[in-house]
Amino acid sequence: GEDVEQSLFLSVREGDSSVINCTYTDSSSTYLYWYKQEPGAGLQLLTYIFSNMDMKQDQRLTVLLNKKDKHLSLRIADTQTGDSAIYFCAERVYGGSQGNLIFGKGTKLSVKP
Amino acid sequence: DSGVTQTPKHLITATGQRVTLRCSPRSGDLSVYWYQQSLDQGLQFLIQYYNGEERAKGNILERFSAQQFPDLHSELNLSSLELGDSALYFCASSVESTGTEAFFGQGTRLTVV
Repeated sequence: GEDVEQSLFLSVREGDSSVINCTYTDSSSTYLYWYKQEPGAGLQLLTYIFSNMDMKQDQRLTVLLNKKDKHLSLRIADTQTGDSAIYFCAERVYGGSQGNLIFGKGTKLSVKP
Repeated sequence: DSGVTQTPKHLITATGQRVTLRCSPRSGDLSVYWYQQSLDQGLQFLIQYYNGEERAKGNILERFSAQQFPDLHSELNLSSLELGDSALYFCASSVESTGTEAFFGQGTRLTVV
């Protein structure tokens, strides 16, 4: 079945780059997503990448996809304290009539000043 | 603000009771998804509706049901509540049934005592 795995915690210093990693199991995934959840808040869609792409850049965010290894990463450049949150990786599987997402358990990013 | 509205934000109820959670999707979105976020299970897909019809079912208990009305808002009904049903319930919406971008509401935090 589908499974998405992430490391649970990451701690970085303000100004450094953060790299959050994710692995997924379903090779028929079409889109892969990164969502951000701040304390007490909903899920904010940060970015997504189509499965036939290797990289997508959006301002401070860079998504890298290694389809062969089923590995996705999110790099946040110049990490700020406001980036402290839980980051969820999610996949949507090709072929279904539905559009539901399979989420990882989330990586809690702590940014130290 | 994602444009997806969920009410109420918080709900405290006793075991055995029934509650209804409400979701208004973004303007123009036809598809609504319900997810449950709990500490042990993470984010789990419950059910999807598209233009009033059930499109996909995930890990939804038989005690739970949902519907989508002609004005496209959706309700998730949870009955015979148990302590383990305490969780954050999210609604998301997208334009199509397999919409690339799914936008989440702020969630309803349900506490069963």
